[in-house]
Amino acid sequence: GQQVMQIPQYQHVQEGEDFTTYCNSSTTLSNIQWYKQRPGGHPVFLIQLVKSGEVKKQKRLTFQFGEAKKNSSLHITATQTTDVGTYFCAGRKGSQGNLIFGKGTKLSVKP
Amino acid sequence: EAQVTQNPRYLITVTGKKLTVTCSQNMNHEYMSWYRQDPGLGLRQIYYSMNVEVTDKGDVPEGYKVSRKEKRNFPLILESPSPNQTSLYFCASSLSRTDYYEQYFGPGTRLTVT
Repeated sequence: GQQVMQIPQYQHVQEGEDFTTYCNSSTTLSNIQWYKQRPGGHPVFLIQLVKSGEVKKQKRLTFQFGEAKKNSSLHITATQTTDVGTYFCAGRKGSQGNLIFGKGTKLSVKP
Repeated sequence: EAQVTQNPRYLITVTGKKLTVTCSQNMNHEYMSWYRQDPGLGLRQIYYSMNVEVTDKGDVPEGYKVSRKEKRNFPLILESPSPNQTSLYFCASSLSRTDYYEQYFGPGTRLTVT
């Protein structure tokens, strides 16, 4: 079945360092969503990308959707301890498909 | 406040004892879904519902049942729980499965089956 691969599985950074997580699909996606799950919490929607090559920013977070709509990335500039959590990407194949979640990247930030 | 609620939040039970985890949303969403989250496996979809009386299997439906008699409620039923169903369960809803709507997740139910 359709899979969305996400790497790395874990990332440990020093506060102030940058962080990037990558999401890849073997098939073209109609859209990609990113969610953040704080420790002990539930996934919370961050953003959605729909267009080929789309780039969106939320303060220190930059989201990209690849030109072929098969990959995406989330980049955090100058991480803070509040960025700690697991980041999930979720892609959909076609407007009728279910969202398929990546396994997530767990970010820890050392103060 | 727009939200998805789940009950109970924590449950410890024994093998074979039927249980139901309730899920309710107050946003008039058509689409509702159940996921389980296990370490290293991410979020896997169990069942989903596109509207009242319309349900379908997700990726890991074995051992689970659902029903959607009302738009706001989507209970998850484990007829005969087994230890491999020990997991963190999330209910989610969105306006529709079609198009591009975000999913709202409930707070989660941590289930332990001994």
